[in-house]
Amino acid sequence: GQNIDQPTEMTATEGAIVQINCTYQTSGFNGLFWYQQHAGEAPTFLSYNVLDGLEEKGRFSSFLSRSKGYSYLLLKELQMKDSASYLCARVRRQTGANNLFFGTGTRLTVIP
Amino acid sequence: DTGVSQNPRHKITKRGQNVTFRCDPISEHNRLYWYRQTLGQGPEFLTYFQNEAQLEKSRLLSDRFSAERPKGSFSTLEIQRTEQGDSAMYLCASSAELGTDTQYFGPGTRLTVL
Repeated sequence: GQNIDQPTEMTATEGAIVQINCTYQTSGFNGLFWYQQHAGEAPTFLSYNVLDGLEEKGRFSSFLSRSKGYSYLLLKELQMKDSASYLCARVRRQTGANNLFFGTGTRLTVIP
Repeated sequence: DTGVSQNPRHKITKRGQNVTFRCDPISEHNRLYWYRQTLGQGPEFLTYFQNEAQLEKSRLLSDRFSAERPKGSFSTLEIQRTEQGDSAMYLCASSAELGTDTQYFGPGTRLTVL
């Protein structure tokens, strides 16, 4: 979807740090969202970046580089409950609203 | 609970039947979105309402699909003459026009077409 690329799967150890990368097509860019989705559940909002730099929110941080078409989600002090899919979504503002185009998601498995 | 709600949560139907799903957005949100998600994929945008006006429709939304938001509050998504390829999770999201316009998703309706 709209040339959004993120790794399909990642595995990390409880207590560790993991970085999930996302690259996207830069034309018409209006912001980037990260969502968490547990199996069989709805996506839940994690972060929004529209300017370059790092946004920190507790254990989760998100970084954006607009010139490189690159973002990452950083999860610290991993917990078992962090096992989920992480969806990167870019904004394409056509009708004044944030129409989101999602990547396929990165399935993170946290192991003891 | 003041989040987005969707009904039904699950729907099993036979090919060729019509189905209708309902979404109740967060009460102060004037924007409402429908997405479809299949296994292993991210959500795909279907359509968007601002108040009662349907302002954008994806090419994924064939003639068999219709969405309404008659009073600018709840919305319905109808699929006519369902096909097996329509089997998916149908997600509704809502947002407020102000600020970051962050979309908050409902639990979804899982449709299975036999």
